Amino acid sequence: GQNIDQPTEMTATEGAIVQINCTYQTSGFNGLFWYQQHAGEAPTFLSYNVLDGLEEKGRFSSFLSRSKGYSYLLLKELQMKDSASYLCAVLDSNYQLIWGAGTKLIIKP
Amino acid sequence: IAGITQAPTSQILAAGRRMTLRCTQDMRHNAMYWYRQDLGLGLRLIHYSNTAGTTGKGEVPDGYSVSRANTDDFPLTLASAVPSQTSVYFCASSDSHRNTGELFFGEGSRLTVL
Repeated sequence: GQNIDQPTEMTATEGAIVQINCTYQTSGFNGLFWYQQHAGEAPTFLSYNVLDGLEEKGRFSSFLSRSKGYSYLLLKELQMKDSASYLCAVLDSNYQLIWGAGTKLIIKP
Repeated sequence: IAGITQAPTSQILAAGRRMTLRCTQDMRHNAMYWYRQDLGLGLRLIHYSNTAGTTGKGEVPDGYSVSRANTDDFPLTLASAVPSQTSVYFCASSDSHRNTGELFFGEGSRLTVL
């Protein structure tokens, strides 16, 4: 079966750096997405990786290793507003999105 | 209207009743989707539409139906609601029917079936 694994919850300190991991086992691969979802709100797009390597976008970076079935989202200079759930999703060979359950990130002052 | 609008925002419904969740987008996106989100689970696709006039079944289609009469509207109907359909429902759209583009989500409809 297809599976996306990410930690259920993480805690970090304001101003610090946190890395949220995502491992996947899917039938084929056509890209990996990260979305941010604040409590009670809709998910919003953060990044899309289809090739190996690191993509940087401001304080957020996303890394992909297709051979390892692994990605991470790196958040730098954490702010209280970064408290949210982070959803990893993989596009399989049929271009269907497979979603992880999300990682709830708690930022403490 | 800017983006995707869902209605109602929340609803409490008696089991056995019929309910339609509305979704309208103004971005002229071809592809639209309905997801449900339950605690501890990833978003699960209910139905999708790659273009006006066509629809397809997702991962959890049973008990739900959709229609796509035009580009902008994609309503989701529960013919006879059951308690297991208690969930938060998100409508989304994309300008790429192959899902390679960014998904834009509505604000969600929280449905409680008693």
